[in-house]
Amino acid sequence: DTEVTQTPKHLVMGMTNKKSLKCEQHMGHRAMYWYKQKAKKPPELMFVYSYEKLSINESVPSRFSPECPNSSLLNLHLHALQPEDSALYLCASSQDGDRGFSDYGYTFGSGTRLTVV
Amino acid sequence: AQSVTQLDSHVSVSEGTPVLLRCNYSSSYSPSLFWYVQHPNKGLQLLLKYTSAATLVKGINGFEAEFKKSETSFHLTKPSAHMSDAAEYFCVVSAVNNAGNMLTFGGGTRLMVKP
Repeated sequence: DTEVTQTPKHLVMGMTNKKSLKCEQHMGHRAMYWYKQKAKKPPELMFVYSYEKLSINESVPSRFSPECPNSSLLNLHLHALQPEDSALYLCASSQDGDRGFSDYGYTFGSGTRLTVV
Repeated sequence: AQSVTQLDSHVSVSEGTPVLLRCNYSSSYSPSLFWYVQHPNKGLQLLLKYTSAATLVKGINGFEAEFKKSETSFHLTKPSAHMSDAAEYFCVVSAVNNAGNMLTFGGGTRLMVKP
């Protein structure tokens, strides 16, 4: 299995809703990432998990809450979002966690297209 | 610190003609460099990577890139464009910090292929 699987593919939610995005990989990768991508822009890093521990939070508002239940799963819990949070949310994984090797690429999922109404 | 500049935000070519997408980088370390492609409403797919081995790197779908340290460039080329190549392309540099292996993205180049 060489894929990162994200569910759901599309999500429409109201500003008072609570929802979760899910990401799964079975490649044995020990680093997992959440990115936010607005239209016609490169992805922006939100969170990094290394060996199931949160290692980077790029000053993301608390209405986004990541969770890494195990080495294969990564969730992003959403609550009280704003319309400007509408974007493509990408999950990625990479082979190295904190071992310091930079020559492995990231494997990206297909993303969840989130619309906040 | 590291940064990536994609010199063209849009490139338009005719089907069957060569493709050149330009990328310049700066990095304090010996970087690893990648090209990713993103088709509309899709995730990012790795095209190729440079990791300090051969400077001419061959990727999928006929793409290749040449690492030129003296010019700090990593341009992406393909001899003959196909309609299916129309997509957004990102040049990416990877380096290590205390948190691990971090990517820096260029601004992207949208490739349009005319019939």
